[in-house]
Amino acid sequence: DAGVIQSPRHEVTEMGQEVTLRCKPISGHNSLFWYRQTMMRGLELLIYFNNNVPIDDSGMPEDRFSAKMPNASFSTLKIQPSEPRDSAVYFCASTLWGAEQFFGPGTRLTVL
Amino acid sequence: GEDVEQSLFLSVREGDSSVINCTYTDSSSTYLYWYKQEPGAGLQLLTYIFSNMDMKQDQRLTVLLNKKDKHLSLRIADTQTGDSAIYFCAESINEKLTFGTGTRLTIIP
Repeated sequence: DAGVIQSPRHEVTEMGQEVTLRCKPISGHNSLFWYRQTMMRGLELLIYFNNNVPIDDSGMPEDRFSAKMPNASFSTLKIQPSEPRDSAVYFCASTLWGAEQFFGPGTRLTVL
Repeated sequence: GEDVEQSLFLSVREGDSSVINCTYTDSSSTYLYWYKQEPGAGLQLLTYIFSNMDMKQDQRLTVLLNKKDKHLSLRIADTQTGDSAIYFCAESINEKLTFGTGTRLTIIP
């Protein structure tokens, strides 16, 4: 199995632009999580899905952030418009029934 | 509320044992985890322990859980240079993980 796949690995954009991060979970996993990692705030859970349905989005910082999971093998995290304070590493993780959560390699986002 | 705390730094001589400590506050945690993050990389799941266990051993790794004190530790035996990384503990409640700040482990040759 290829593990959790994220794209792009690096993204540099200008303030105000739309950013879309993508994630493909491990095949067969039924839960998917989006995290953000910064020096100041550490690792934070943004949102998670179970069977493609958003369960808890209380960690999403603002309305500029949105996430979708149209099917079991794909999810997106969108930031529109992006701001410099959104610069971080964004991780996607997946699990089957919650015991072991496997992380992707992350997308390093820089907003200028 | 959920709060997971770790010391920020630990230095250990190569060949010695490393012990990384973690405290958490929510007694309803179902699982507790240790993840390893190397520079520029994602988080690698090292091991986890179910909340009704008090010890788990996996090769060089030993996890101890004191549920009464809400204290979790990770012992790495015979620490090697490849163990240099940041180690995160995390607690899980209803599939949601809350991470500690991470402990940066430095190996002294």
